[in-house]
Amino acid sequence: QQQVKQSPQSLIVQKGGISIINCAYENTAFDYFPWYQQFPGKGPALLIAIRPDVSEKKEGRFTISFNKSAKQFSLHIMDSQPGDSATYFCAASGQGGSEKLVFGKGTKLTVNP
Amino acid sequence: DSGVTQTPKHLITATGQRVTLRCSPRSGDLSVYWYQQSLDQGLQFLIHYYNGEERAKGNILERFSAQQFPDLHSELNLSSLELGDSALYFCASGEDVSYNEQFFGPGTRLTVL
Repeated sequence: QQQVKQSPQSLIVQKGGISIINCAYENTAFDYFPWYQQFPGKGPALLIAIRPDVSEKKEGRFTISFNKSAKQFSLHIMDSQPGDSATYFCAASGQGGSEKLVFGKGTKLTVNP
Repeated sequence: DSGVTQTPKHLITATGQRVTLRCSPRSGDLSVYWYQQSLDQGLQFLIHYYNGEERAKGNILERFSAQQFPDLHSELNLSSLELGDSALYFCASGEDVSYNEQFFGPGTRLTVL
């Protein structure tokens, strides 16, 4: 089943707080899990990505946690800033000759000053 | 700036018409992916080309077609347009089919009246 479920749909966080967005997948053939950030009127921008051979990847304030047995992964944004206010999409892709991305529905993050 | 360019930025047309969306991938990228983004369906994969050859099809209507040219730019052709085709159309490019990173262009906003 080619599906990625993302939650929550929207999230409001205070400046300096931690934002957490969760995703779950069904297809065990997926082997690449990126997160994209999209601002209004712009294309999705690759933020951070992880493969199943590691359980966590950190880049600056952004961390992906990955649980292979539960088929879940999450994005943590530490010290959230108003400039982080955007829509975040998780995605997954697998082998098979085409690395097409299957996207979650997105999470609209608002960071209040 | 991802290095992926798309033209036009906006397109307004009438039902029944045909339009062509153009995408130039990042320098050196052989793969071009097309995605449709709408409020109700989210980001949906349409089609993938690698070095001029079609590699995978997703939820692409028969009224839609694409091709990738020898200089690696790609065009998405939408014909017999319907109101429901109004959406953002993104292309993304990547180095290789086995290397998952995809970089998105700024998109073309299509409005069908």
